[in-house]
Amino acid sequence: AQSVTQPDIHITVSEGASLELRCNYSYGATPYLFWYVQSPGQGLQLLLKYFSGDTLVQGIKGFEAEFKRSQSSFNLRKPSVHWSDAAEYFCAVGVGGSYIPTFGRGTSLIVHP
Amino acid sequence: SAVISQKPSRDICQRGTSLTIQCQVDSQVTMMFWYRQQPGQSLTLIATANQGSEATYESGFVIDKFPISRPNLTFSTLTVSNLSPEDSSIYLCSAQTGGGLRNEQFFGPGTRLTVL
Repeated sequence: AQSVTQPDIHITVSEGASLELRCNYSYGATPYLFWYVQSPGQGLQLLLKYFSGDTLVQGIKGFEAEFKRSQSSFNLRKPSVHWSDAAEYFCAVGVGGSYIPTFGRGTSLIVHP
Repeated sequence: SAVISQKPSRDICQRGTSLTIQCQVDSQVTMMFWYRQQPGQSLTLIATANQGSEATYESGFVIDKFPISRPNLTFSTLTVSNLSPEDSSIYLCSAQTGGGLRNEQFFGPGTRLTVL
């Protein structure tokens, strides 16, 4: 079965600094990969997804992620963090034809002014 | 896209009672799901709500505890039965739109359940 690991429970950055959130997956074939964001009291919002093709994926809100097959990773990046980016970030993997995501434990992003 | 609403947004229930959560999607969708997010944890898929037939439950979840209805393509309910404090969680409704590589999964705002 597929699984997702987000090794960082909390990440603290200063506003304007760059950000990288780590995600590693376990699956025998090429998975479908997702990053979601959950703001306090809000539902999950899809930031970006990778199904195939270009391994560098652009998403909403200035986020991007890079699929690295050799490292089984799909790290999320943003060059300059804004205070409004403070939220919980979930990496997810989907397999098969249903694309139903299996979620990692999440990384809480704290942004200092 | 799809906009999903859930009712209630939160509730406090007594042990042994039940809570029914409603999920409404603003457009017809093929697949609807229910997830549980326990405090400080990730999302765990409870079941796929099938229109006109019994829901498909994931390992560790049973129909007697989590009965689900889906009478049409835009609405579903999840009941959490015989509540215990361990059921205190956020319950999220989700729906898929599109197909194949255009597939996208949307989530409702969640229902925060506290069991005393």
